[in-house]
Amino acid sequence: EDQVTQSPEALRLQEGESSSLNCSYTVSGLRGLFWYRQDPGKGPEFLFTLYSAGEEKEKERLKATLTKKESFLHITAPKPEDSATYLCAVQKGSGGSYIPTFGRGTSLIVHP
Amino acid sequence: DTGVSQNPRHKITKRGQNVTFRCDPISEHNRLYWYRQTLGQGPEFLTYFQNEAQLEKSRLLSDRFSAERPKGSFSTLEIQRTEQGDSAMYLCASSAWEEPGEQYFGPGTRLTVT
Repeated sequence: EDQVTQSPEALRLQEGESSSLNCSYTVSGLRGLFWYRQDPGKGPEFLFTLYSAGEEKEKERLKATLTKKESFLHITAPKPEDSATYLCAVQKGSGGSYIPTFGRGTSLIVHP
Repeated sequence: DTGVSQNPRHKITKRGQNVTFRCDPISEHNRLYWYRQTLGQGPEFLTYFQNEAQLEKSRLLSDRFSAERPKGSFSTLEIQRTEQGDSAMYLCASSAWEEPGEQYFGPGTRLTVT
């Protein structure tokens, strides 16, 4: 069974204090790994897709990386507006429905 | 296009009543997904449409749940005989044919069953 484990469950940072969130996965034949941001009471917002080990994607203060067993979301010099829950999801390579399996997320709070 | 929209945003109902939610996806997206999310959990897959065809349903989806996408555009999710355990956020997402993993979510419908 596909599994996605995110750590830590919650993270508190001071503004400007860089850190990383982890997403470890077990899936037979990874098609893609996705990162989403979710603000309270809203739907998830797509951030990145990673397809193969060694791939990296960047957007503003966020950088996502992928290995064969895990992905990291690096947050450089975070600001309070980066506070949100960050969700990781994996998608199998086989089959045509492309149903992603989501992790439980990491709740990030950035204090000013 | 303004993105994925869902209505209503909030629904409070009494146990045993039926409820229906609507999702309008991004117009050029032919893939549509319904998810359920409870506090502290990631979205949990319920069902998937490719155009008007419902191609996959979660094993967790009981027969009280039904979904339609009659013309391959908007979709509805109906829950019959609601139970307190149905209380959750119901999310709809759509994606383009070329990038099925890049899903765009609506704001969700929060259901409270009393």
